[in-house]
Amino acid sequence: RKEVEQDPGPFNVPEGATVAFNCTYSNSASQSFFWYRQDCRKEPKLLMSVYSSGNEDGRFTAQLNRASQYISLLIRDSKLSDSATYLCVVNDDYKLSFGAGTTVTVRA
Amino acid sequence: ETGVTQTPRHLVMGMTNKKSLKCEQHLGHNAMYWYKQSAKKPLELMFVYSLEERVENNSVPSRFSPECPNSSHLFLHLHTLQPEDSALYLCASSQDATDTQYFGPGTRLTVL
Repeated sequence: RKEVEQDPGPFNVPEGATVAFNCTYSNSASQSFFWYRQDCRKEPKLLMSVYSSGNEDGRFTAQLNRASQYISLLIRDSKLSDSATYLCVVNDDYKLSFGAGTTVTVRA
Repeated sequence: ETGVTQTPRHLVMGMTNKKSLKCEQHLGHNAMYWYKQSAKKPLELMFVYSLEERVENNSVPSRFSPECPNSSHLFLHLHTLQPEDSALYLCASSQDATDTQYFGPGTRLTVL
């Protein structure tokens, strides 16, 4: 079983739509969680950390469900610039485990 | 952004060559990392250094040799690589173990 699993997508959505996707992780002792964004041929960049109580950053909402061991990301009012691959990341001490990414394409 | 820099950005090398990748972080962080990203695969952690001590070596072949001379610099020495080693090599740094990691732009390596 992979440590972090994501639906690869792609999710093709029109501008203004809401898109949501999940990520599951295998280690119940995982300590911290993040969503990173990676544009084509670029490095990953932190989008947001994921807190136990859920958190929001503008149009982005992240949720953590420790009981079911999944993390979710919701993007409201999608923009063309949101097109990217979103990486789910789980941190156990020094070890970051990455999902393979979920590709989102927002069309005009 | 100049937080984490990597050189060179692109590298083409033959299987018998020896080359080195360089990473420098200007963030005052204590931990640095090497990752490999192959096409359509998740990032794979290769090495972790904390306060210049190697704390993780993720079963990486010996043809990859890391070096951390100080907390701001990290090298990856390459020798007798294979074509399947062609990938994007990313360096990252973080303040401490569980903190957010910040990535450099990567070195795109092609082994002929």
